[in-house]
Amino acid sequence: AQTVTQSQPEMSVQEAETVTLSCTYDTSENNYYLFWYKQPPSRQMILVIRQEAYKQQNATENRFSVNFQKAAKSFSLKISDSQLGDTAMYFCAFISDRGSTLGRLYFGRGTQLTVWP
Amino acid sequence: SAVISQKPSRDICQRGTSLTIQCQVDSQVTMMFWYRQQPGQSLTLIATANQGSEATYESGFVIDKFPISRPNLTFSTLTVSNMSPEDSSIYLCSMKLTVNTEAFFGQGTRLTVV
Repeated sequence: AQTVTQSQPEMSVQEAETVTLSCTYDTSENNYYLFWYKQPPSRQMILVIRQEAYKQQNATENRFSVNFQKAAKSFSLKISDSQLGDTAMYFCAFISDRGSTLGRLYFGRGTQLTVWP
Repeated sequence: SAVISQKPSRDICQRGTSLTIQCQVDSQVTMMFWYRQQPGQSLTLIATANQGSEATYESGFVIDKFPISRPNLTFSTLTVSNMSPEDSSIYLCSMKLTVNTEAFFGQGTRLTVV
């Protein structure tokens, strides 16, 4: 079974600082995809970044980057130059590209990030 | 990407009644899903909405309680039947263009049952 674990229920950071959110996952598969979503108070789920497991290079999207450690099954999100608008719940998610669970997303429990001025 | 319109955005309902939530996508998509997010919790998959056939439900969810329709590749509905206060949650529809791409989400429906 696929599981996604986020061990930090809450995090806080001061504006302009850097913060890292942790995520680990468990799977027996070799091909899969990982995502970070943010959910602000508006409830809209917004894709932040994605990583393909077959790529060794860590994905980056502007101020957002990941540290993908496939052997350790770790997928952390680093937010640089934090902004007030980054305040949201962040979910780590996993998707398999084969098998009976084809296409479905598995979510972690989320980390509530608060950015302080 | 695609634009997903979900309605209603929120509702307050009496126990014992039913609410139908609609999800409209602006392009034809392969996969559509319905999730429930209970207060302070993560997203739980209710079912995969299959075009022209019965939805595929996850463990703990049944068709009688959460009937789903998907008459075409751009539209789906989820009904929450015979509601109780425990059904108070956010319900989200989601779509994927292909199997290995990210999912896009509707704006969510905040349901409160009183």
